[in-house]
Amino acid sequence: GESVGLHLPTLSVQEGDNSIINCAYSNSASDYFIWYKQESGKGPQFIIDIRSNMDKRQGQRVTVLLNKTVKHLSLQIAATQPGDSAVYFCAEANAGGTSYGKLTFGQGTILTVHP
Amino acid sequence: DAGVTQSPTHLIKTRGQQVTLRCSPKSGHDTVSWYQQALGQGPQFIFQYYEEEERQRGNFPDRFSGHQFPNYSSELNVNALLLGDSALYLCASSFGTGGNEQFFGPGTRLTVL
Repeated sequence: GESVGLHLPTLSVQEGDNSIINCAYSNSASDYFIWYKQESGKGPQFIIDIRSNMDKRQGQRVTVLLNKTVKHLSLQIAATQPGDSAVYFCAEANAGGTSYGKLTFGQGTILTVHP
Repeated sequence: DAGVTQSPTHLIKTRGQQVTLRCSPKSGHDTVSWYQQALGQGPQFIFQYYEEEERQRGNFPDRFSGHQFPNYSSELNVNALLLGDSALYLCASSFGTGGNEQFFGPGTRLTVL
């Protein structure tokens, strides 16, 4: 079946450090992999996505890496700031049908950034 | 430009009751998806509406139903509420045709007593 999971439930870093959040997935047929950030009391906020035909994609202070051989996804946050503290979810999706279609989320990693 | 809006923000119901949650998509979006997020868990897909029809459905019982209106807004209905239905219900909107980002609303916190 389909599943998306995370290796680490919590991650604590110092302000200015780089953060790496990992995710394992099992459905090799997924077209997209997406990282979301969810702050307390809010809905998930899109960070970055990557298509299955890519290995790496960079955004502002964030980089997503996709290793299809071992079905592994990671989110790297450069120069982590206290405002980055949140729960981070990876999700997988198929582009068939409308938009992303069904998103399958992992359990989440709690990132805490200490000043 | 308003993002995705949901109402109400919080809701308290008792077992056996019925509830209706509402969602207005982001301007320009025509597709609405609903998710259930239990405390400490990732969101779970309930269903997706496009062109006023349910296009995809997750592993949820028939007690969960929905509707999409001509203006693309949507409702989620849950009948015969159970304690386990207590969760944050999230609505996400997108522009359908494939591979487009889903924008989430702030959610409705449902508590079933």
